[in-house]
Amino acid sequence: NAGVMQNPRHLVRRRGQEARLRCSPMKGHSHVYWYRQLPEEGLKFMVYLQKENIIDESGMPKERFSAEFPKEGPSILRIQQVVRGDSAAYFCASSSRPQRESYNSPLHFGNGTRLTVT
Amino acid sequence: AQTVTQSQPEMSVQEAETVTLSCTYDTSESDYYLFWYKQPPSRQMILVIRQEAYKQQNATENRFSVNFQKAAKSFSLKISDSQLGDAAMYFCAYKYSGGGADGLTFGKGTHLIIQP
Repeated sequence: NAGVMQNPRHLVRRRGQEARLRCSPMKGHSHVYWYRQLPEEGLKFMVYLQKENIIDESGMPKERFSAEFPKEGPSILRIQQVVRGDSAAYFCASSSRPQRESYNSPLHFGNGTRLTVT
Repeated sequence: AQTVTQSQPEMSVQEAETVTLSCTYDTSESDYYLFWYKQPPSRQMILVIRQEAYKQQNATENRFSVNFQKAAKSFSLKISDSQLGDAAMYFCAYKYSGGGADGLTFGKGTHLIIQP
């Protein structure tokens, strides 16, 4: 009964490279949320996706960041041309129903990917 | 915009004692949800307890309980009989219950240390 799986657990990239972070939601969950945690900060919402659709990307930086959740396979958070300020822990969470509709459908978080940009 | 404030960056408590973690929030909405999450060194975010704003009764989960003061916009977490496994970062979070609000708003966290 696997939970939310994120990989890699740690990722090191040089400035200007691309970072790809993967998230496999819990079995049966079709709603995925990405959060970013900067050092000494709480988690900040980035984007909400449902299979093949971006529903809410209000927390996503306008440039260099993109997310997808294809029909088959994991959700991907992609950061192009990384900069030092992108260094953070990136968390994925999933739920069986949209958070906006269901209080009783809790979020299940993964263990996060720690991105370090050198 | 909603904000969540945790004014205690770090708290320390003796094992078996009781500790209270503070959280205040700012919102103009009347219907919302509040949560406490625990983040141990493994980094995983674990839901500890949750509260619906329209419920006056404070939520309780075993050794964890909240003191929800809606008028004061306060949502503190009380941990009774503290155990070594309670050591972690604790985050307070808010979520508007209406449509169009998909993300949780988190505070900056309180680092809880349990002294053996």
